[in-house]
Amino acid sequence: NAGVTQTPKFQVLKTGQSMTLQCAQDMNHEYMSWYRQDPGMGLRLIHYSVGAGITDQGEVPNGYNVSRSTTEDFPLRLLSAAPSQTSVYFCASSKNRGYNSPLHFGNGTRLTVT
Amino acid sequence: EDKVVQSPLSLVVHEGDTVTLNCSYEVTNFRSLLWYKQEKKAPTFLFMLTSSGIEKKSGRLSSILDKKELFSILNITATQTGDSAVYLCAVERVKAAGNKLTFGGGTRVLVKP
Repeated sequence: NAGVTQTPKFQVLKTGQSMTLQCAQDMNHEYMSWYRQDPGMGLRLIHYSVGAGITDQGEVPNGYNVSRSTTEDFPLRLLSAAPSQTSVYFCASSKNRGYNSPLHFGNGTRLTVT
Repeated sequence: EDKVVQSPLSLVVHEGDTVTLNCSYEVTNFRSLLWYKQEKKAPTFLFMLTSSGIEKKSGRLSSILDKKELFSILNITATQTGDSAVYLCAVERVKAAGNKLTFGGGTRVLVKP
């Protein structure tokens, strides 16, 4: 059982480049989300999805797009990378977004934008 | 705006000590409070608390929630070097489009031998 798998583990981009961070889960979880983690700021929600075909914005959505065409996958797209997007990105899923459904996290993607 | 504040920011203890971590929150439509432990990579789930005054316990870790005073504490007794990590508190809010989690900034714990 792989859980939540994120790729790549590390990425370096130049300002203005675009890329997609991949996230897949094999637990048949309805809820998936993307967080970024910056020093001293905890985890901040970028986008989330409560099921295939449904997405919504979190606290810091600007500069990122998501889609949820299948239950398993929830890719995060950076449209035009900026140095402010240098961060560690975590994908997380849970059975549903409610009682007794804690998040399961992937191992993170460390992104540097120069 | 939902707010979760953890204290202290960091602490250093020696093996065998007891540590108490604090998490205070302001959130509307509160559903639950969760504690996670983050070592080098992904946060791992410790506890979910929904009711006041009921202690949750797992080995040397325990946690309790006070919904009247809007805070939770996480206790670690007889600390070991393996307890060194960042401990994250998160609060879940009920929302029609899907409940929302807000994380605190974390408390970094270093346990020295």
